[in-house]
Amino acid sequence: EPEVTQTPSHQVTQMGQEVILRCVPISNHLYFYWYRQILGQKVEFLVSFYNNEISEKSEIFDDQFSVERPDGSNFTLKIRSTKLEDSAMYFCASSGGWWGDTQYFGPGTRLTVL
Amino acid sequence: AQKVTQAQTEISVVEKEDVTLDCVYETRDTTYYLFWYKQPPSGELVFLIRRNSFDEQNEISGRYSWNFQKSTSSFNFTITASQVVDSAVYFCALSEASEGGKLIFGQGTTLQVKP
Repeated sequence: EPEVTQTPSHQVTQMGQEVILRCVPISNHLYFYWYRQILGQKVEFLVSFYNNEISEKSEIFDDQFSVERPDGSNFTLKIRSTKLEDSAMYFCASSGGWWGDTQYFGPGTRLTVL
Repeated sequence: AQKVTQAQTEISVVEKEDVTLDCVYETRDTTYYLFWYKQPPSGELVFLIRRNSFDEQNEISGRYSWNFQKSTSSFNFTITASQVVDSAVYFCALSEASEGGKLIFGQGTTLQVKP
């Protein structure tokens, strides 16, 4: 069964450093998302991406964040200058259709900012 | 105001008991979708069910069942004869036509099933 994959599973970085989180969505899916979950809290939407453009972004997704689909399979989230409060689990998701279609999530990347 | 409310923060049951997880949502849209996801201790988010606002039929899948009631804006999830492997955090989520594709999650309910 096709699945969303994410690398790395855990990333530790120093405050102020740039990090890139990588995702490989399900191959025939067209819509891609990033969510984050601060430890013990709910899952929060960051950004959605379709046709090489951001479709929607939340207020969390400020200028420090960017997304890219550098090739036909990868989907990346970059945080330019990490802050302590960026420590969270970051989930990538993909869906075949637009709103209302089921989003399938990857296993997540745990980001720890020291 | 919370759009998705899961008032039960933690529930603890003994194996084989039935348990219902509550989800109340708020939306002005007439067209929307509701979801349940399971987050086991390993941390991934596992899709369980999707329901659209025009389909109020209850659904049963094995030991799992869902009760969707538009009149009370609720989409409750029942596990029958719970098992230790059901121990997880369960999230209810809403997707509204007016808000595009994003999922709005509730706070989650932690279910602990004791042997």
